[in-house]
Parts: sequence; structure tokens; C-alpha cells
Amino acid sequence: DAKTTQPNSMESNEEEPVHLPCNHSTISGTDYIHWYRQLPSQGPEYVIHGLTSNVNNRMASLAIAEDRKSSTLILHRATLRDAAVYYCILRDDNYGQNFVFGPGTRLSVLP
Amino acid sequence: GAVVSQHPSWVICKSGTSVKIECRSLDFQATTMFWYRQFPKQSLMLMATSNEGSKATYEQGVEKDKFLINHASLTLSTLTVTSAHPEDSSFYICSASGLAGDPVYNEQFFGPGTRLTVL
Repeated sequence: DAKTTQPNSMESNEEEPVHLPCNHSTISGTDYIHWYRQLPSQGPEYVIHGLTSNVNNRMASLAIAEDRKSSTLILHRATLRDAAVYYCILRDDNYGQNFVFGPGTRLSVLP
Repeated sequence: GAVVSQHPSWVICKSGTSVKIECRSLDFQATTMFWYRQFPKQSLMLMATSNEGSKATYEQGVEKDKFLINHASLTLSTLTVTSAHPEDSSFYICSASGLAGDPVYNEQFFGPGTRLTVL
């Protein structure tokens, strides 16, 4: 699986937008970009995923660079409950294999 | 959405005893289940992949005789930590993928985790 690079930690103020970056310069054409988050003492939770086009859902938006070598997870209005570790993971979804988790970005949300 | 449960959510045991952790897919059938381990302040590390009806595939460095995995049905996988020691204390998380052709095939759904403390 191609590797991803994320900042170790980020801070945000409550009710402000948060942009979480992810670099994946060695992404292959069949790799999907997945984002999961993990709240303290819980299992990972699906956030969003995409291949080439930007994606929106009720939790977040995913902006994918045109060359697909980077992507950004956007939380439109951070809440205290969004404080978690966010993982950006590449996976070839054609094979349904396991996810390889990196260290992720620890997001702190300040009231 | 697809739900995966784990039981127990936490367990404390004495050194040398065995502990069984269950992972269930509640509303879908799971061909493949994955077992991860997470130490404090670290990321998830894959321990093994189990397919229903066949032997589990273990990652390098994971002792298959110590971490016994059974995936006897499409909705249940169990992880047994045999002769547990304090260094086995960790957060154990399972995930499940649906059947090929299933809408949930390409996704993984994670359980809430089981915190094991070995005294």
C-alpha cells in the first residue's frame, strides 16, 4: 500500500472550519483515499472516502488534488466531539484488503 | 449502517490465564474479519486476517499459538489470548468486511474495541 504523510497534531477552535491535510505522492491509479477517525477509547469510525472527485457527506468534505498526490479532509464547523485522531489511508478497493494505519493527526478542538 | 460489536468491552485477568474476545457483525455477513492491536499513544497494528471457514493469516511477529483466531461463521470471529502476560495488555479492535458483491464489501466496519489488562 502507498504511504501517507499527515501532521502529527493540529488545533482548531470550536465552530471554525478545520482542514486536515494528507500527502500521498506515491498513490497508484486504483488507490482510494479513505479517512477514518478514532475517538478516545473507541474503534475507528468511517468519515469519508473518494477516488478522484471531491466528496461531501454529512460529516465532512474531501478535497482531492487534481494529481491525486494530496487530499484534504474538511470539517466545516468543528465541535468538541470532533476531537480525535484522524487517519488518512490509501487502499486498492478492488481487493478489499485491510487498512494500514499510520500515526494519523491528533485534532484538538478548543472551546 | 453496518454494525460490528465486540465482547467484552474490557477485561482484567491474571497473568497465565486465557481470555477470549468475540467480534460479531450484527446486520451483515462478513467474509473477512481483521484483528488489530493498539498500544497507548500508538496507531492500530494489524495482527491477523481471518476468513470464514479457513485458517487465519497472521502478520509477521504475531505468534499464532498465542493469539488463537477462530472464524467459524459469517457473523462471528473470536480472538483468544492464551497464557496472557502483562505485555499483552492492549486495546484489541476487530473489523469486518462484507461479502463480495455486497454493497458493504469494500468498506471495513470497526468494532468498539476490547481493553485487556493483564495483572
